[in-house]
Amino acid sequence: NAGVTQTPKFQVLKTGQSMTLQCAQDMNHEYMSWYRQDPGMGLRLIHYSVGAGITDQGEVPNGYNVSRSTTEDFPLRLLSAAPSQTSVYFCASRSQAGNQPQHFGDGTRLSIL
Amino acid sequence: AQSVTQPDIHITVSEGASLELRCNYSYGATPYLFWYVQSPGQGLQLLLKYFSGDTLVQGIKGFEAEFKRSQSSFNLRKPSVHWSDAAEYFCAVGDSSASKIIFGSGTRLSIRP
Repeated sequence: NAGVTQTPKFQVLKTGQSMTLQCAQDMNHEYMSWYRQDPGMGLRLIHYSVGAGITDQGEVPNGYNVSRSTTEDFPLRLLSAAPSQTSVYFCASRSQAGNQPQHFGDGTRLSIL
Repeated sequence: AQSVTQPDIHITVSEGASLELRCNYSYGATPYLFWYVQSPGQGLQLLLKYFSGDTLVQGIKGFEAEFKRSQSSFNLRKPSVHWSDAAEYFCAVGDSSASKIIFGSGTRLSIRP
C-alpha cells in the first residue's frame, strides 16, 4: 500500500505564481485534510473534506482552494503565492469507520520567494 | 468549533525521569483526542488516541494519556524517558466525527543526559 502520497516533495515559487499540491490516497478513506506546519505554530488545518464533492474550511483557508472530485484525490491550489505561504504542507486521510487515526503523507516543503 | 492548547513550548527532563506533557482542549461534546510525535525532519507518528471508554489510554513507546473531562485535559505521560524520546509532541482534538482534527502548537522535549 502506498498510503498517502504527496507530490512534489519540494517546490520553490515566485510571488504571484500559482501551483497545485497533489495528494492521493489508496485506502478508500472518506476524510481528507490539508495542514500547514510552521515553527512554533504546530499544524494548522487549511481545508478538509468528508467525501467526494464536499469540502469545508479549516483554521487558515485564505489563499487556498481545494476540490474533491474523487475519493482518492484532494489537491490544494495556491492561486497567487505569497511569501507568507512558505511552509511545510501535510495531507492526511482517515476512514470514517470506527476509531481510526489519520494517515499522513510525507509533506511538501514549499518556499515562496 | 474545537481548539487545543499546549501550554508548554519547551520542556527539558533528565534521562530516566518521568514526563508529563499538558494538553487542554475546548469542545462542546465528547471529543476525539490524539497525541502525535515528530522527530526533526520527519513526519508525524501517532502515539495514542482516545475515542471513548477507558479514560486511561496506553500507546506505543511506553506512553500513556488520561482523559479528564472535568479538567478538559488529555495529558501525556511516560514513567521514564529515554534520549530517543527527544522530539516535538502534538496534541490534537477531533469533532464528533473526527472529520475535522485540530492540532496544538506543540511541545518540544529535550532530554538531559
